[in-house]
Amino acid sequence: KNEVEQSPQNLTAQEGEFITINCSYSVGISALHWLQQHPGGGIVSLFMLSSGKKKHGRLIATINIQEKHSSLHITASHPRDSAVYICAVSYSGGGADGLTFGKGTHLIIQP
Amino acid sequence: EAQVTQNPRYLITVTGKKLTVTCSQNMNHEYMSWYRQDPGLGLRQIYYSMNVEVTDKGDVPEGYKVSRKEKRNFPLILESPSPNQTSLYFCASSLGRTAGELFFGEGSRLTVL
Repeated sequence: KNEVEQSPQNLTAQEGEFITINCSYSVGISALHWLQQHPGGGIVSLFMLSSGKKKHGRLIATINIQEKHSSLHITASHPRDSAVYICAVSYSGGGADGLTFGKGTHLIIQP
Repeated sequence: EAQVTQNPRYLITVTGKKLTVTCSQNMNHEYMSWYRQDPGLGLRQIYYSMNVEVTDKGDVPEGYKVSRKEKRNFPLILESPSPNQTSLYFCASSLGRTAGELFFGEGSRLTVL
C-alpha cells in the first residue's frame, strides 16, 4: 500500500520561529494537499500542489516531484497556528482515485 | 457562501440500527468523498465519487454504503452499525480529484453502543 509519511509527529516552538513540516510519499502522485485542523475543529484546505511552490500569507508550501517530498513552512509563527497539519496525496495511475493521508503533525506555538 | 453541510453533527445510536449521515455541497463540485478519523490512525477514506452515479471504495469501505443520485448530495449509510464504527466522520468535495482545493464539512461524531 502506498504510504504518506509526515515528520515530525509533534513540534513545539516559540512564537516567531520558522516552522517546517515535511511530507514524503512513495510513488508518483497527481496532487498533494496540505490541510489544517484546529483542536476540536473542522478541517481546512491550505494548499493543493502538483509542482513548484505556493505562498499564502505566512504559509509556504513546496513540492519536489523527483524526491517525492513536500514541505510546509510557517514564517513568524503565532499561537493561533497551533493545530494539526495533515498531508494528503492523490496517487496517479493504477485506477486508484482516492486520497491517502499522513498521520498529521501536531504543532504547538507557545507565546 | 460555499459550504459542505453534514448532518447530524452528533449521534449516539445502538448496534444494528440503520443510520444515514447526509452530506450536501453548494459548489457544483464533481468530486465528493467520505473519511473517518480515529486517534492514532488519522484520516482514512471510506468512499468517494467522481460524479453522479460514479462511486468507488476507499481504504476502509467495510460496513458502509454510499449513493450519488444528485451532484450535490452524497449520503453515507451504515446499514447495521457496530461499535468499531464509532468515529469522527468528514465529508469533503472538490471540483475534481486533482482539481482545486478540498472543502470539508464540519464533521459528524458518531457513537455506536
